[in-house]
Amino acid sequence: GQQLNQSPQSMFIQEGEDVSMNCTSSSIFNTWLWYKQDPGEGPVLLIALYKAGELTSNGRLTAQFGTTRKDSFLNISASIPSDVGIYFCAGQHSNSGYALNFGKGTSLLVTP
Amino acid sequence: GAGVSQSPRYKVAKRGQDVALRCDPISGHVSLFWYQQALGQGPEFLTYFQNEAQLDKSGLPSDRFFAERPEGSVSTLKIQRTQQEDSAVYLCASSLVGQGLANYEQYFGPGTRLTVT
Repeated sequence: GQQLNQSPQSMFIQEGEDVSMNCTSSSIFNTWLWYKQDPGEGPVLLIALYKAGELTSNGRLTAQFGTTRKDSFLNISASIPSDVGIYFCAGQHSNSGYALNFGKGTSLLVTP
Repeated sequence: GAGVSQSPRYKVAKRGQDVALRCDPISGHVSLFWYQQALGQGPEFLTYFQNEAQLDKSGLPSDRFFAERPEGSVSTLKIQRTQQEDSAVYLCASSLVGQGLANYEQYFGPGTRLTVT
């Protein structure tokens, strides 16, 4: 599949801080999705993006589909302890059918 | 329940044994996907069904892996003669993709953690 690079690999922040993470690809994607995975559970869909430049919010989460279609960003505002988990970006490319290509994840730790 | 369910949640197999992992998709979702997630990695695509048709199996790592969805709903992923490198979490996802909608969102089950000893 297509290689997705996610950064940072991990983040350790204090409650109340804002968080930014991003995902880049060497290829163009048609769709970007952001998921959160808690230990022992499957990924939970947070935000879906379908158009270059699109900015979408879901509560304290905001994600953007990069204008080059090769990157995406996720921001979390005013973090809380339950934001702890691993955040994955996933892209869908026309050459890979409907399969999603995932990054390796950003591990987020929030201290009270 | 309204979500994707998978069973068993945990499976321990001795090397060489066959295993079968089950997935119940969200009702009304014609598309179903299987992914493999190694420890510390993101999920990797294995195979995709639309209804009962297996349209893409390019991610299956070897001919020991076999998936089926005979009636277009429940799916089973079978691994024959398991090896230690098969140890991973196997995730199932269902989606509306392919139903004439520009919706590529996939919804995941909790996964089956397979440990091969």
